[in-house]
Amino acid sequence: KAGVTQTPRYLIKTRGQQVTLSCSPISGHRSVSWYQQTPGQGLQFLFEYFSETQRNKGNFPGRFSGRQFSNSRSEMNVSTLELGDSALYLCASSLDTTSFEQFFGPGTRLTVL
Amino acid sequence: SQQGEEDPQALSIQEGENATMNCSYKTSINNLQWYRQNSGRGLVHLILIRSNEREKHSGRLRVTLDTSKKSSSLLITASRAADTASYFCATDANTPLVFGKGTRLSVIA
Repeated sequence: KAGVTQTPRYLIKTRGQQVTLSCSPISGHRSVSWYQQTPGQGLQFLFEYFSETQRNKGNFPGRFSGRQFSNSRSEMNVSTLELGDSALYLCASSLDTTSFEQFFGPGTRLTVL
Repeated sequence: SQQGEEDPQALSIQEGENATMNCSYKTSINNLQWYRQNSGRGLVHLILIRSNEREKHSGRLRVTLDTSKKSSSLLITASRAADTASYFCATDANTPLVFGKGTRLSVIA
């Protein structure tokens, strides 16, 4: 089975712009979670989606949003980018909401200038 | 917060030695997991231990869980240079997983 894929792998944006990141889960996995990783804050949970519904949301401002499609692929969007949004954004999939093991993609490295 | 806290933050050992990392958390959990992350890459699941288990093995990995102390340890035996990575514990009471800030392990050949 192919693993979790994330596109793009690297992205450079300027302050004020918006960005959309994409995640394709492992085939058959219906739950997708997003995390932001920075040196200072570590891994922080952004959102979790299951069957196109957001089940959980982390403590991030409304500039961070996401969605999941019927094929379980997910996107996250960050609007009005700030320098502090520079981070590695990780997507993880799991079979369903009762599966504890998460399978991570390689991440998207976002740099905001 | 139930965030796990790994200890030490960084660890440097010689190849062949054992490496021990600890994780403490604050609230009751259902499961505790350990993940590895190579520099700038995604996380890889290593092992899951349930709250009613005390010890679990997987290859060169040994995980213990002490729910009375709200702590877990990860032991990597006979370490290799390829074990150089960051190691995170993740706890769940209810979703989502909450990760600690990790232990950075360097194995010197």
